[in-house]
Amino acid sequence: EDQVTQSPEALRLQEGESSSLNCSYTVSGLRGLFWYRQDPGKGPEFLFTLYSAGEEKEKERLKATLTKKESFLHITAPKPEDSATYLCAVQARVGAAGNKLTFGGGTRVLVKP
Amino acid sequence: EPEVTQTPSHQVTQMGQEVILRCVPISNHLYFYWYRQILGQKVEFLVSFYNNEISEKSEIFDDQFSVERPDGSNFTLKIRSTKLEDSAMYFCASSVDARFGELFFGEGSRLTVL
Repeated sequence: EDQVTQSPEALRLQEGESSSLNCSYTVSGLRGLFWYRQDPGKGPEFLFTLYSAGEEKEKERLKATLTKKESFLHITAPKPEDSATYLCAVQARVGAAGNKLTFGGGTRVLVKP
Repeated sequence: EPEVTQTPSHQVTQMGQEVILRCVPISNHLYFYWYRQILGQKVEFLVSFYNNEISEKSEIFDDQFSVERPDGSNFTLKIRSTKLEDSAMYFCASSVDARFGELFFGEGSRLTVL
């Protein structure tokens, strides 16, 4: 069974204080690892897809990296508007054609001014 | 920017009643999904739908649940006889391609079963 574990569960940062979020996964053949941002009461908003170990993607203050067992989301010099829950999800290469995503529990990030 | 839209945003129902949640996926997307999130818990997969049939479903998606694409634009989730434990936020999502699928999610429909 595919599993995704995110740490820490919550993170409080001062504006400008860089940090990293961790996503550990076990999956029967990784097709893709996804990062989403979720604001309270809203649906997940797509950020990145990573397909193979060593791959990196960047968007503004966010940078996602991937190894064979985990992914990191680095937040550089965060601003209060980066406050959200960040979700990691994996999609397995094998299995049924539906290609479901298996989500982790998320990391709640609060950036204080 | 194209988006997935869901209605209603919030529905309150009595236990045992039927509920239909509606979604309009992004127009050129071919794959459609329902996920749910019980308050404080993980986002969980329910079902995926392609070419007018279910392509995968989870253990949660039992006989009380059904999905339908009644016309070219809507995608619905029906819960036949709601239970208290069905209370959750239900998210519709769509993707262009299942192989390299970034899923785009709607804002969600909050279902409260009393």
